[in-house]
Amino acid sequence: DAGITQSPRYKITETGRQVTLMCHQTWSHSYMFWYRQDLGHGLRLIYYSAAADITDKGEVPDGYVVSRSKTENFPLTLESATRSQTSVYFCASSPGTPSYNEQFFGPGTRLTVL
Amino acid sequence: ELKVEQNPLFLSMQEGKNYTIYCNYSTTSDRLYWYRQDPGKSLESLFVLLSNGAVKQEGRLMASLDTKARLSTLHITAAVHDLSATYFCAVVYGGSQGNLIFGKGTKLSVKP
Repeated sequence: DAGITQSPRYKITETGRQVTLMCHQTWSHSYMFWYRQDLGHGLRLIYYSAAADITDKGEVPDGYVVSRSKTENFPLTLESATRSQTSVYFCASSPGTPSYNEQFFGPGTRLTVL
Repeated sequence: ELKVEQNPLFLSMQEGKNYTIYCNYSTTSDRLYWYRQDPGKSLESLFVLLSNGAVKQEGRLMASLDTKARLSTLHITAAVHDLSATYFCAVVYGGSQGNLIFGKGTKLSVKP
């Protein structure tokens, strides 16, 4: 099906473990984004990518790593998970720069770090 | 740095009543979004407001934008239970390579 998907939808891990959250979109959108949502903070941008092999930091990048070898995929890795990274993570994509293009959001991944 | 403030953060209202959610932002921007989020779900785009004085309506929701005052409003007319959700405004910040800055959201509960 066309659209934007995230996997897994739910993940429980332990402090210090590496975790990778996957994001896949079928629209061939050039831009992709990772946000985290925490109570009292709304959504905050972690990283974004303007195209394959081009990534940049957002508001809260510390503790996260991203890559984008293919246009349709934008994985987010927590190299050594901490409890403060317990959150709901949303991936989004847009056909062009967010200044002029709407973003479309995936279903989210709920991550719990014990 | 752009800051986006929504108020109220929590809103409990009765069916049939009218109310307004406010979204203030601190620096110039010409594009503002309103999103709806149901519990445990993703964000659904409601409105995109592109210019000063823009007004958009969908059903019982009407959104407006005043870029001079740096203020957007989401007005709810004759609320119904199905409108219960969290509503976010998001403002584009950073020129041609801008990103979205979200407000903290307004949790709306409509009671019979």
